[in-house]
This record gives sequence, structure tokens and C-alpha cells, in this order.
Amino acid sequence: KQEVTQIPAALSVPEGENLVLNCSFTDSAIYNLQWFRQDPGKGLTSLLLIQSSQREQTSGRLNASLDKSSGRSTLYIAASQPGDSATYLCAGNQAGTALIFGKGTTLSVSS
Amino acid sequence: DGGITQSPKYLFRKEGQNVTLSCEQNLNHDAMYWYRQDPGQGLRLIYYSQIVNDFQKGDIAEGYSVSREKKESFPLTVTSAQKNPTAFYLCASSMGSGVFGTGDGYTFGSGTRLTVV
Repeated sequence: KQEVTQIPAALSVPEGENLVLNCSFTDSAIYNLQWFRQDPGKGLTSLLLIQSSQREQTSGRLNASLDKSSGRSTLYIAASQPGDSATYLCAGNQAGTALIFGKGTTLSVSS
Repeated sequence: DGGITQSPKYLFRKEGQNVTLSCEQNLNHDAMYWYRQDPGQGLRLIYYSQIVNDFQKGDIAEGYSVSREKKESFPLTVTSAQKNPTAFYLCASSMGSGVFGTGDGYTFGSGTRLTVV
């Protein structure tokens, strides 16, 4: 059964730092991979989607990549800001499945 | 603006009572999903539907039921058979058959927090 691991579970950084969040799948055969942001008590906001034919996506200060040979993805956040404080969730799907989620990384950026 | 609307935002259920959570989307998406989120846990799939009048069980379907009579709507009923229903429930949708790796990714609603009293 596919499982998703996100490391670290929590991260605290000062404002301005560049940081990397990690996500790994037990089965590397991932079609779509999606990174989400969740604020406390709120729904999920999609950040980046890497579709089956892609390996990387960028949006502003965010960059996500997927290594399909290893089943590992990273989310890079440049020049972090206090407004980036949230929980970041990684999710992927395979043939015949809906998105499977990791437990998330809770990020705190201090000013 | 297109999006997914979940209602109510907060819901309280008494022991032995069935309750229904609403999920409506105006994105013209084919597929819809229900997930459950518990503190410190990832999202777990309850049910999903790829087309009208068809739906499949996810990993934790016991104690839940759904219907898909309209493309826009995918209500979730939490029955009295669900012994631990207190959780945050999230509805999502995707274009095409997102289950099979196509489409534009998932869009989520703002969630319903269900509490047993």
C-alpha cells in the first residue's frame, strides 16, 4: 500500500531563510503530485501541481520537483516570510487511485 | 468565482444521529472526493465519484454514505454506525478522471468540522 512520508514534521526558521520540505512515496510510480498549504482550521490551497509528463513546477518563491526514479519530491521556499507559516501537505496519485496524502510539515517563520 | 462550497462550517451530532454534510461545486469538474482529517494525521479518503450516479469506497468508508445525483453535488452522510465521527471533513473536486492521473489537480472546499456532543 502506498504511503507518503513528509520530513521534517515541523520546522522553525527566521524570516529570509531559504528552506526545503521533503516528501517521499513508498511506491515511486506517481502520476500527479500536488503540494498544498493549509492554515489552521481551513481547507487546502493548491500551491503547485506536477503532472505526469513534468518533473518540476515554479510559482513565485516556490519550486517543486519530483524524482520519479526514487519517488521523492521537494518543495523549495525562497526568502521565507512570516506569512508562509502554515502546514504544507504533499499528495500524489497512481493509476486507479485518488490523491494519497502525507501528514504534513508545519512551518513557522519568525520575524 | 468558481469554487467548492461546503456547508455547514460547524456541525454537532448527537449520539445515534445521522447527519449530512453538503458539498457543491461550480467548476464543472467530473470527479469529487470526500476526505477526513484528524489532528496530526494526513487526509484519508472516504468516498469518491468519477461521474454522476457512480461512486466508490475509499480507505475508511465504513459508517459513511454518499450520493451523486447531480454533477455539482456530492453530499456525505455520517451515519450512527460511524463510532468516532469527530473530525474535519474536506470535499474536493478535479477535472476529468483525476483518479487516473489526468486533469488539473484537486480543488478543495473550506471544510466542515463535525463534533459529537
